[in-house]
Amino acid sequence: EAQVTQNPRYLITVTGKKLTVTCSQNMNHEYMSWYRQDPGLGLRQIYYSMNVEVTDKGDVPEGYKVSRKEKRNFPLILESPSPNQTSLYFCASSLQMGLTYEQYFGPGTRLTVT
Amino acid sequence: RKEVEQDPGPFNVPEGATVAFNCTYSNSASQSFFWYRQDCRKEPKLLMSVYSSGNEDGRFTAQLNRASQYISLLIRDSKLSDSATYLCVVSRNAGNMLTFGGGTRLMVKP
Repeated sequence: EAQVTQNPRYLITVTGKKLTVTCSQNMNHEYMSWYRQDPGLGLRQIYYSMNVEVTDKGDVPEGYKVSRKEKRNFPLILESPSPNQTSLYFCASSLQMGLTYEQYFGPGTRLTVT
Repeated sequence: RKEVEQDPGPFNVPEGATVAFNCTYSNSASQSFFWYRQDCRKEPKLLMSVYSSGNEDGRFTAQLNRASQYISLLIRDSKLSDSATYLCVVSRNAGNMLTFGGGTRLMVKP
């Protein structure tokens, strides 16, 4: 089954404790992206990757890191999480970026930082 | 001004009604436009892409007005299962990034 998976789905952590949210897709997609969704602010792009070893900042990259060592994986790293990073996070992938390419979203990771 | 603006609603409509949502965007260089559907606390899923000539998929019709910089979504014969939040999505940065509107919530009542 074609899908985007994220782990963990739920995470409660404390300020400053490094964490990684994994994202994996099995569709051989070139493009992957991370978003956060907050009430009243909608979905905002954190980082995106056009292909292996090619990553770029989105609208809200501060406090986050990513890597794309393999085509299928695109982990999101929070080196020192803070309470303002409490949010619902979605990973997404697309065959490419372009006029008609659909973004497939993972199920989301709900992160709480206390 | 937000790059992509939507009326958050909620739009409360009876089953069988026709309902329309508009979405305005500020970047005249935007090339790609989409409507995504998001059920409560679930991931967004593509409903339809929006083409310059307009397009229809069953009960759903999407239109693009470049001159006025808005896109619309029309839902005919609303079903209970249409209850969801509808996200307007616009590309930018040569198509490498997407901007999501805040979403319009639709509630279809029996």
